[in-house]
This record gives sequence, structure tokens and C-alpha cells, in this order.
Amino acid sequence: DGGITQSPKYLFRKEGQNVTLSCEQNLNHDAMYWYRQDPGQGLRLIYYSQIVNDFQKGDIAEGYSVSREKKESFPLTVTSAQKNPTAFYLCASSMVHESSYEQYFGPGTRLTVT
Amino acid sequence: AQKVTQAQTEISVVEKEDVTLDCVYETRDTTYYLFWYKQPPSGELVFLIRRNSFDEQNEISGRYSWNFQKSTSSFNFTITASQVVDSAVYFCALSARAYSGAGSYQLTFGKGTKLSVIP
Repeated sequence: DGGITQSPKYLFRKEGQNVTLSCEQNLNHDAMYWYRQDPGQGLRLIYYSQIVNDFQKGDIAEGYSVSREKKESFPLTVTSAQKNPTAFYLCASSMVHESSYEQYFGPGTRLTVT
Repeated sequence: AQKVTQAQTEISVVEKEDVTLDCVYETRDTTYYLFWYKQPPSGELVFLIRRNSFDEQNEISGRYSWNFQKSTSSFNFTITASQVVDSAVYFCALSARAYSGAGSYQLTFGKGTKLSVIP
């Protein structure tokens, strides 16, 4: 079955540590996205990638980094510079980076930093 | 700039009641797309519908229906004969052609409406 995989479902880290969240898709989509969701809030875009080896900052990129070495994979690193990293992180993909295409989402990773 | 407002933060209904979730959007563009997503307690967002700005026909899919009115910039979602499985957070989202292209695309989400269907 085609879909988006995010692992792990829950992640716990100590403050000051970098942590990498994985996102894999087998939908053959060109575009991939990372969102952050806080309680009672909508989704906010962190980074997106239209094509392999290319990515762009979203609204809240500070304290995060990404890579896109393969079409299927778009890992997100939450660095120690991110001041409030505890949140629910969602990865998404779409056929192409166009406004008309719907995005499909993974199950999310809930990150807790203490 | 574009904006999506879901004024209803939380709604509770008794099973089998009809419920309408409101969505009001703002954009300067004449070509845009509207979406609804469902987020059940598991957390994954599920795509429900996409609508383009040139198609104001209402759409029905089983117990779900959507009312798109450009005159009021609204794209409301109605669930008929609600069921417990409909309990979730529902997000309305907007994307506009002017934001497409390298470095500028963005899908804007509302803050969501939490629907609780009570048995």
C-alpha cells in the first residue's frame, strides 16, 4: 500500500540534544513538507522540498534543518537552537509543488523535550 | 496574504444530529483551492475534499456535503446524521495560485474545529 511513514510515533529527548524525525513516502510524489502542530492550533509550515536536493524554508524554519537526498525521504532535524521543540510534527507529500494538488499526511511524531 | 478562519473551536452534538462546520477564507487571488481535512484522535490528517475557485457547485459524498459560496468567502462542511466515528478535529485550508512557484508556495490552515459526537 502506498503511503507516508513517520517514525517513531513518540519521541523523548533531553533539552540541548538534536533529534531527527524520519519521513518516508512511497507515493512517488515530488514534493514533501514538514509541519508543526501545537495544541489548539492549525498546522504551520517548517520546510518544504519540491525536488531532490532542493528545499525551502517555511514560516517557522528557525531551529530546524532538513535534507532531501532521495525522492522518498525527507528527514527533519530539530536542533538545540529550537526554543520550544515540544510539539506534534507532521510530514506530508503531494504530486507536485502546485496549489491545486492536495497533500497527503503521515501519522505524525509527537516530540517531547524536557 | 491569505487567511482561513474557523470560528467554531469546539462543537458537541448528539449522535444522528446534523452539524455544520464553518470556514471563512481571505485571499486576493481569483484562482485558489480550498480543502477540508479530518484529524481523528490518532493524529493523521485525512484528505476529504478539494474545491477550485471556479466551481461553486455544492458537493455531496455520502453523509458529507460542502457548500462553497464565493460571495461570502465561505466553504462550509455539513455532516448529516452524525456518528461517533465522526468525532475528530476538522481543518479547512486554502492555497492560491499567486503563491505557487519557486520559494513562495504555502497551504494555509485554519485552527480547526473539534467535533465531539455523543452517543
